[in-house]
Amino acid sequence: KNQVEQSPQSLIILEGKNCTLQCNYTVSPFSNLRWYKQDTGRGPVSLTIMTFSENTKSNGRYTATLDADTKQSSLHITASQLSDSASYICVVSANFGNEKLTFGTGTRLTIIP
Amino acid sequence: ETGVTQSPTHLIKTRGQQVTLRCSSQSGHNTVSWYQQALGQGPQFIFQYYREEENGRGNFPPRFSGLQFPNYSSELNVNALELDDSALYLCASSLSREVSYEQYFGPGTRLTVT
Repeated sequence: KNQVEQSPQSLIILEGKNCTLQCNYTVSPFSNLRWYKQDTGRGPVSLTIMTFSENTKSNGRYTATLDADTKQSSLHITASQLSDSASYICVVSANFGNEKLTFGTGTRLTIIP
Repeated sequence: ETGVTQSPTHLIKTRGQQVTLRCSSQSGHNTVSWYQQALGQGPQFIFQYYREEENGRGNFPPRFSGLQFPNYSSELNVNALELDDSALYLCASSLSREVSYEQYFGPGTRLTVT
């Protein structure tokens, strides 16, 4: 069964600090990995998408890394802002099968002033 | 904003009732996927529609059914509502059913079953 695990479950940091969120997956055959930001009660919004051959991708203050050998990804947020408070969800796609996208349960990030 | 809209925003139903949720996809998108997201959890895949045909289904019972219309908008129907059906229901549209294509999510419909 395809699975995506994220850690930590929740995180509180001071505004301006950096943080790193982790994602481990067992999805096969792997197609791509995405990070989404989801504000409370809203739909997820895509931050980055990486294929097997990419090991890093940036989107402003967000930088995602992918190690396809160890099946791990991280999302690094630099110089955090209050608006970064949200859930961050790791989503892994498989090339085959009915359940093509497997979602992690997310990391709840809270930025405090 | 992604251009994907959902209605209604919130809904309260009683156990045993039936509900229909609606989704308008982004212009030009022929694929719509539906997800159920319980509080504090990640979205769970319900099913996907591509050009009016079901194209994959997650582990949900048959009382969860759907439709896609010629304009690619979509409906999610849930019969015989149970308390555990209370969740945020998300739809996402994309240009293609291929997993490499980006999915754009709507704001969701919050369903409460009492």
